[in-house]
Amino acid sequence: GENVEQHPSTLSVQEGDSAVIKCTYSDSASNYFPWYKQELGKRPQLIIDIRSNVGEKKDQRIAVTLNKTAKHFSLHITETQPEDSAVYFCAASRSGGYNKLIFGAGTRLAVHP
Amino acid sequence: GAVVSQHPSWVICKSGTSVKIECRSLDFQATTMFWYRQFPKQSLMLMATSNEGSKATYEQGVEKDKFLINHASLTLSTLTVTSAHPEDSSFYICSAVPLGLAEYEQYFGPGTRLTVT
Repeated sequence: GENVEQHPSTLSVQEGDSAVIKCTYSDSASNYFPWYKQELGKRPQLIIDIRSNVGEKKDQRIAVTLNKTAKHFSLHITETQPEDSAVYFCAASRSGGYNKLIFGAGTRLAVHP
Repeated sequence: GAVVSQHPSWVICKSGTSVKIECRSLDFQATTMFWYRQFPKQSLMLMATSNEGSKATYEQGVEKDKFLINHASLTLSTLTVTSAHPEDSSFYICSAVPLGLAEYEQYFGPGTRLTVT
């Protein structure tokens, strides 16, 4: 069945360092890859997404890369700040929002001042 | 825009009782809504896809008779947990997809924390 693997499960960095989270998906028909940030007890917040027709997308300190051949996509956060501390989830779906999102297991990011 | 609400935000119920959770799209219409369950320190697991005017599609392993989903209008889907047990205690989150657009993004509700005693 469809599966999204996410690594690492926890990540601890010093403020100002970069953080990278990686995901691998199994469904070759997936074409939408969002990343969410979730704080304790809150809803997931979309921070960046990428569609399969592009290989990279950047929004200020956040970037996502996609390798369709390898079925890998990654989240890159530069110049990390303590407020970046949260759980980050990757997800994959087919053909847009009407199709279900399959989530990765999550990465708990801790940014230490 | 694209606001989704859930009610209640938290609920405590006794084992064996039923509880209903509402998911509303406040400023858009949605033919499709999704229900997720999230246990502590775990990921979001899709329970079912709710389609307005038709039966929900349940994921494998989710009991349709226990988790009743009704999507009676373009702005409201409800999830009823029947005969709740302590193992049903979880964070339930819905999401909605706006009607009529080539939308990719799902808009999430704030979640409902269910505690079954």
